[in-house]
Amino acid sequence: GAVVSQHPSWVICKSGTSVKIECRSLDFQATTMFWYRQFPKQSLMLMATSNEGSKATYEQGVEKDKFLINHASLTLSTLTVTSAHPEDSSFYICSVTLGLAGGHAGDTQYFGPGTRLTVL
Amino acid sequence: TQLLEQSPQFLSIQEGENLTVYCNSSSVFSSLQWYRQEPGEGPVLLVTVVTGGEVKKLKRLTFQFGDARKDSSLHITAAQPGDTGLYLCAGGMDSSYKLIFGSGTRLLVRP
Repeated sequence: GAVVSQHPSWVICKSGTSVKIECRSLDFQATTMFWYRQFPKQSLMLMATSNEGSKATYEQGVEKDKFLINHASLTLSTLTVTSAHPEDSSFYICSVTLGLAGGHAGDTQYFGPGTRLTVL
Repeated sequence: TQLLEQSPQFLSIQEGENLTVYCNSSSVFSSLQWYRQEPGEGPVLLVTVVTGGEVKKLKRLTFQFGDARKDSSLHITAAQPGDTGLYLCAGGMDSSYKLIFGSGTRLLVRP
């Protein structure tokens, strides 16, 4: 598997400010990471696919200018929520895929512990 | 749009009982993962199944992938309070490594 960390684990910010969330792959060089958001008592919703060295691929309905993703190295992807508003409050989770290195289970994902964002 | 329907959505049972959670789709998946998530934490991988008809056992948990690779089930024997959590199935697609997540089953095992 892969060990994934996220920082911070929780953050409270004022409306209109920007918040950066880091996702690190601690023991695997990940060319592909994913960002999800999860509302209370709901399943995970994929926001975007983060590709090392190239632009992220956003899912339909996710504003790329609102949720900026930077995957500058094989071990770090960041998600910046720009001009945050109360409706952006959510649990944000990143994941790593081993891709071809995972063999038959190449699309298995390993998740970080999540970041809870609260926008006042 | 590919969808994975999980049932039941919520299950409250007594310790020692057995239960089965179902994950169904009209789409064929290259693999099927099951995750368990506890409040305030990220999902933790339980198992990955890749072959139609495959059955995997993990202690008291038995996972099955349908012959046509469109559905899966998770059976828990003699449930314990520690099994409480949100169970998520997720279907894998070959080329993109993206996962399609099911709607989730919230399990509560009462002591």
